[in-house]
Amino acid sequence: GDSVTQMEGPVTLSEEAFLTINCTYTATGYPSLFWYVQYPGEGLQLLLKATKADDKGSNKGFEATYRKETTSFHLEKGSVQVSDSAVYFCALLKAAGNKLTFGGGTRVLVKP
Amino acid sequence: EAGVAQSPRYKIIEKRQSVAFWCNPISGHATLYWYQQILGQGPKLLIQFQNNGVVDDSQLPKDRFSAERLKGVDSTLKIQPAKLEDSAVYLCASSLDGRGGYTFGSGTRLTVV
Repeated sequence: GDSVTQMEGPVTLSEEAFLTINCTYTATGYPSLFWYVQYPGEGLQLLLKATKADDKGSNKGFEATYRKETTSFHLEKGSVQVSDSAVYFCALLKAAGNKLTFGGGTRVLVKP
Repeated sequence: EAGVAQSPRYKIIEKRQSVAFWCNPISGHATLYWYQQILGQGPKLLIQFQNNGVVDDSQLPKDRFSAERLKGVDSTLKIQPAKLEDSAVYLCASSLDGRGGYTFGSGTRLTVV
């Protein structure tokens, strides 16, 4: 079946450091790929998405590129802030079925 | 636009008791989902509705969980009887057409003691 694998956290960084969270997926066909963010005590919020190979999703300084050849969708940010502390989830969506499959999440803690 | 509304925010019950959660999706969103998020894990789909019909309930423990979506709008998820391992956040999400990502509610945190 479809699955998403993320690097385990927690990832602890200093403010203004570079962030990378690895995400790889297993799926047949051509899924759409997403990053969701969950701030403490809140629900999931869509951060960015990409719907086909080589697409780059970007939002709030975060970027991720859909790499079909490596089945990856790594999340990056060049300079993190304390407010970026959250849990980040990678997910895939197959057109057939229209349901999201999530990875296990990666907790990021940014220290001042 | 208003977001996905869920209630209650928190619920504590004893094992073997019953509990119900409510979700009001974004107006006009045909697809509604219930996810279970156990602490430290990613959300897992329990059930998917398209209007008032069930599309996928393959991961729903049907011996104790039930869900309905009356008139294709609001939805309720019920657990009876609850077990300790049901402690989790129950997330409701809705989507206009199932593509492009969903909008999630804030969730209901259930603690079974």
